[in-house]
Amino acid sequence: QQPVQSPQAVILREGEDAVINCSSSKALYSVHWYRQKHGEAPVFLMILLKGGEQKGHEKISASFNEKKQQSSLYLTASQLSYSGTYFCGPPMMIKAAGNKLTFGGGTRVLVKP
Amino acid sequence: DSGVTQTPKHLITATGQRVTLRCSPRSGDLSVYWYQQSLDQGLQFLIQYYNGEERAKGNILERFSAQQFPDLHSELNLSSLELGDSALYFCASSGTSGVQYFGPGTRLTVL
Repeated sequence: QQPVQSPQAVILREGEDAVINCSSSKALYSVHWYRQKHGEAPVFLMILLKGGEQKGHEKISASFNEKKQQSSLYLTASQLSYSGTYFCGPPMMIKAAGNKLTFGGGTRVLVKP
Repeated sequence: DSGVTQTPKHLITATGQRVTLRCSPRSGDLSVYWYQQSLDQGLQFLIQYYNGEERAKGNILERFSAQQFPDLHSELNLSSLELGDSALYFCASSGTSGVQYFGPGTRLTVL
């Protein structure tokens, strides 16, 4: 099953903040976040391994609430370079039948000058 | 540069044909994943291999098959191609952390 991301798209002005959410109906053991710029391959941003853990990458940070099976990505003081599609990623490899290791549907972010 | 290589970069073929996409993972990574991304769509997980064995399967069509060889490179075979198979096909590899490193992709156009 695919994690659900919201919103599907967001348009920001440089310097504005945004939050992207990722929810799963299945237990999450970890969450990965990736960013894909137009015409390029997805690139790993960060991984959150423990419930409640927050990590950061430049001015992009994320939190992980294991109980709620949710993760949020925070774009703070957005820059033009933050534009792209953000995906929340699959859990760690788990030896479970039917684990499809899918990414969320993606959130398109456009940062305008 | 992620360290994952994919060939070819572009492939143009006709409906009904068969093609093979190749992926070489990062040095030391045992897992290889294949994804399909249609125009402006999300990443559709196709299949994962770990050290030569199939580990997980996604929405992979019966016309598609994959394998991972002893040297850990992987091939995705697409047969009886249809117009709707036109897409970007990404390969990714991972090590023990599960973090996926993506190759540059193969853009397949079916005419």
